[in-house]
Amino acid sequence: AQSVTQLDSHVSVSEGTPVLLRCNYSSSYSPSLFWYVQHPNKGLQLLLKYTSAATLVKGINGFEAEFKKSETSFHLTKPSAHMSDAAEYFCVVSDGNKLVFGAGTILRVKS
Amino acid sequence: NAGVTQTPKFQVLKTGQSMTLQCAQDMNHNSMYWYRQDPGMGLRLIYYSASEGTTDKGEVPNGYNVSRLNKREFSLRLESAAPSQTSVYFCASSEAFRGYEQYFGPGTRLTVT
Repeated sequence: AQSVTQLDSHVSVSEGTPVLLRCNYSSSYSPSLFWYVQHPNKGLQLLLKYTSAATLVKGINGFEAEFKKSETSFHLTKPSAHMSDAAEYFCVVSDGNKLVFGAGTILRVKS
Repeated sequence: NAGVTQTPKFQVLKTGQSMTLQCAQDMNHNSMYWYRQDPGMGLRLIYYSASEGTTDKGEVPNGYNVSRLNKREFSLRLESAAPSQTSVYFCASSEAFRGYEQYFGPGTRLTVT
């Protein structure tokens, strides 16, 4: 069965510094992988998705993620954090039938 | 184009009361889903409907029932609410069932006392 581990429950960065949110997955075959963002009291919004094309995936708002099969990782990065990036981020794997969510990483951005 | 809409936004129930959460999408999607979100646990799938006319259990179906009323609408019913069902409920839809991204509604915050 597919599973997702988000390695940090909370990440704190200063505005203008890089963001790294880590995600490892397990999958018995080539997975589809997603990152979603949830701002406080809002629904989830898709940031980006990987579906076996390019291993470096670019998303909205300057985020990108790299699929590394050898490391079973799909880490989310952004070169320069903005205050508006403060939110909870979910790494998600598709098991072919359904989405399996990680527990989430709360990103705090300090001014 | 409203995307996925949910009603109500907030609800407080007493233990044993029943209610139905409504969800509708205007994207002509085939598949729809109900999730609950609890702190530190991500989202857990309650029920899903891969296509109009079908429904299946997800990870945490106990205490819930669903109806896929038509292609647009997918409702979630709590027959006898319990405090353990206090949660935020999200409806989502996707173009098709396998490997597609899902689009989420704004959520319903339910408290059972």
